[in-house]
Amino acid sequence: GAVVSQHPSWVICKSGTSVKIECRSLDFQATTMFWYRQFPKQSLMLMATSNEGSKATYEQGVEKDKFLINHASLTLSTLTVTSAHPEDSSFYICSATGQGGTGELFFGEGSRLTVL
Amino acid sequence: GNSVTQMEGPVTLSEEAFLTINCTYTATGYPSLFWYVQYPGEGLQLLLKATKADDKGSNKGFEATYRKETTSFHLEKGSVQVSDSAVYFCALNIQGAQKLVFGQGTRLTINP
Repeated sequence: GAVVSQHPSWVICKSGTSVKIECRSLDFQATTMFWYRQFPKQSLMLMATSNEGSKATYEQGVEKDKFLINHASLTLSTLTVTSAHPEDSSFYICSATGQGGTGELFFGEGSRLTVL
Repeated sequence: GNSVTQMEGPVTLSEEAFLTINCTYTATGYPSLFWYVQYPGEGLQLLLKATKADDKGSNKGFEATYRKETTSFHLEKGSVQVSDSAVYFCALNIQGAQKLVFGQGTRLTINP
């Protein structure tokens, strides 16, 4: 299947700093990318949907000024956690779907953020 | 609303044991149902799916049947292997939509 890669796979930062997580589709063009957040022992919660070249659509309760999403190209979407705080510590996962095909979603391996 | 409830883990079995991971759902409309698997250090991968009632999804020896009357999609495998150790997620979407609603995941460990 298609490959989606996230970077970094884990990151530790100080409170108040911003952190950027990248999601790349390596062998297909991703028209739509999704960002999820996963708390320990809980399900993946959809944060936002991004389409290449347009603004992301955020789920209810997700602060768009806190979690900046950019989908500037068909192979790259970024999630920036601005002014991170310890409660933002979580596992962030992206998924992507491409043009045509079956609409199947392909997932990245996830990025673990720890805010001190 | 739409939600998925999975059997709580972790689940630990011996090799060649029979596996069942329960999954029930609530949904408005007519959902498609999925099982995803996440092996250590990797992203989620689609394991199997079913798009309508009474459909059976199967892959790699795993099976799940879409039961509308019990709103369930339990995952089963007759004889598990050590390589099946992973986290399993049940999920749904409303047909035509790409947004997935996930269960909390069940960690499965198979001992030799």
